[in-house]
Amino acid sequence: SAVISQKPSRDICQRGTSLTIQCQVDSQVTMMFWYRQQPGQSLTLIATANQGSEATYESGFVIDKFPISRPNLTFSTLTVSNMSPEDSSIYLCSVEVRSTDTQYFGPGTRLTVL
Amino acid sequence: GNSVTQMEGPVTLSEEAFLTINCTYTATGYPSLFWYVQYPGEGLQLLLKATKADDKGSNKGFEATYRKETTSFHLEKGSVQVSDSAVYFCALRESGGGADGLTFGKGTHLIIQP
Repeated sequence: SAVISQKPSRDICQRGTSLTIQCQVDSQVTMMFWYRQQPGQSLTLIATANQGSEATYESGFVIDKFPISRPNLTFSTLTVSNMSPEDSSIYLCSVEVRSTDTQYFGPGTRLTVL
Repeated sequence: GNSVTQMEGPVTLSEEAFLTINCTYTATGYPSLFWYVQYPGEGLQLLLKATKADDKGSNKGFEATYRKETTSFHLEKGSVQVSDSAVYFCALRESGGGADGLTFGKGTHLIIQP
């Protein structure tokens, strides 16, 4: 498995502002993903964070709203831009370890937008 | 597209009861199947997985068998404990690894009463 940390663990933000969430893994991994878990809902894939190239976004998610960086094999950031109350969710980072076909999840970032 | 359907909760059982949480899926290929668990106040953890038809995943007394003919991956446990109270998510990933994230069901909230 892998040890995954996320910062911040939670935040309360004002509408119209942006928040950058960091994800750090304790080992080099091939695949990193970002998910959203809205209150009382399941997890939805936002995008795949590709090292050295632009992220691959799922339908309904766009780069202008959720820019992602992945400068190396152990770190990624997700920015939630121009936030509205509908963006209040838990945002989770996940990684795949060495083509094991298994994803491990970080502890999540709980975001509340007022 | 891919989808996962699991029984709605909450499911309330007495300690030592037999548990079944139903999960069925729709996929274009031959996916890998997973059960994740989210204990109160904790992050998402992998419970078990199966990567091909007729495989049985097991962990902590839980089992699930990959049934291609019925496109199902039902979670079972012979005798539940209060500590099993959590939200359980069924998920799939298209075969071949690659850049695919997970598709999750809506989650089943399990409550075990002493």
